[in-house]
Amino acid sequence: DTAVSQTPKYLVTQMGNDKSIKCEQNLGHDTMYWYKQDSKKFLKIMFSYNNKELIINETVPNRFSPKSPDKAHLNLHINSLELGDSAVYFCASSHGSGDAGEQYFGPGTRLTVT
Amino acid sequence: QKEVEQDPGPLSVPEGAIVSLNCTYSNSAFQYFMWYRQYSRKGPELLMYTYSSGNKEDGRFTAQVDKSSKYISLFIRDSQPSDSATYLCAMSGSNFGNEKLTFGTGTRLTIIP
Repeated sequence: DTAVSQTPKYLVTQMGNDKSIKCEQNLGHDTMYWYKQDSKKFLKIMFSYNNKELIINETVPNRFSPKSPDKAHLNLHINSLELGDSAVYFCASSHGSGDAGEQYFGPGTRLTVT
Repeated sequence: QKEVEQDPGPLSVPEGAIVSLNCTYSNSAFQYFMWYRQYSRKGPELLMYTYSSGNKEDGRFTAQVDKSSKYISLFIRDSQPSDSATYLCAMSGSNFGNEKLTFGTGTRLTIIP
């Protein structure tokens, strides 16, 4: 049974479109994250939610909006997609308090903007 | 200068060799240090999680932290082809969820049979 799942796995779209990526975890964790991994494999935090509350919001364009309907789900909506948004987006989760370094990652969503 | 520096490699070693992977960092507030392994087209998975300076061993893997030098290492003994992956170091100032992990750029490792 998959611990952290993301959909879709691949996303190819044109500049200017709006798209969403969904993430679900069945580990009972309180904290969920969105990361962006660029073509050079650099992994950077974008957002973090703890029990549906936003706790980390890195310098990310306003076109990116996370939403957490409950603590098991964290979705990412991206408006007006740009070429530079092409990357692999990973969702992750952790207990958050006392074990934040032990993060479980999803399989990633490979976004290509043309 | 990046907060965490990691040689991107690629690094190729023969099967059975000892592998040494390293990261340096500049932020003295970092207290928690992790190594993640990422196979091609997969998400990272946690390998080792250590606090402050010292060594931690888990099977063929040993993590070392030297806070005085701001230097961490991961050693892999008796390397296997299945160890071929990208290894990412990560660190944070606390183990609470409101503190972000800062990752290195990853070292791509290939073990040659």
